Amino acid sequence: GAGVSQSPSNKVTEKGKDVELRCDPISGHTALYWYRQSLGQGLEFLIYFQGNSAPDKSGLPSDRFSAERTGGSVSTLTIQRTQQEDSAVYLCASSSIPGQDYEQYFGPGTRLTVT
Amino acid sequence: GNSVTQMEGPVTLSEEAFLTINCTYTATGYPSLFWYVQYPGEGLQLLLKATKADDKGSNKGFEATYRKETTSFHLEKGSVQVSDSAVYFCALSGLTSNSGYALNFGKGTSLLVTP
Repeated sequence: GAGVSQSPSNKVTEKGKDVELRCDPISGHTALYWYRQSLGQGLEFLIYFQGNSAPDKSGLPSDRFSAERTGGSVSTLTIQRTQQEDSAVYLCASSSIPGQDYEQYFGPGTRLTVT
Repeated sequence: GNSVTQMEGPVTLSEEAFLTINCTYTATGYPSLFWYVQYPGEGLQLLLKATKADDKGSNKGFEATYRKETTSFHLEKGSVQVSDSAVYFCALSGLTSNSGYALNFGKGTSLLVTP
């Protein structure tokens, strides 16, 4: 079946603009994760959704970052007033259920460049 | 907190050479351990996992054993191929349901196998 998809694959934006990144998880997967991959920080966890709820938003880097999930499916990560340090690859992953033994399936990522 | 340390790359090997990529971890509790691989131009994918001490994960000729006494999960392969050229990430599962047991990654080790 279809894997995790993300759009856009690449996004170049000017500093100060808002951007929206989209993730379509594998159908039926209740758990959805956002990670960020950058040269300086490696792979870091941002936020997790169980259904449409995010129990803990403390992993988001700043209050310019927000995320939502609707219908237990698609998720969007929004970055307001982008800064150059936001440049990174944003990865989405999904899992059938949350649990430490369960595989997370990753999308191809959105490469964000803030100029 | 939980953390993963893996050897810095890049690692360059000739085809059919033996591969070891070291990974050690710090964690409270009993996490599951994973190796993920990122081939050029592709998304992260699970290579193998181990969910408890002394478990051995294996896939595609790669192996790693969960060693609690040395807090290690080293990746090995007896004879690498050019097609194994990729970036390898060691990861451990989070231990809190609020994070959905999100993964904590090492910084990645780039492997280049030459003919």
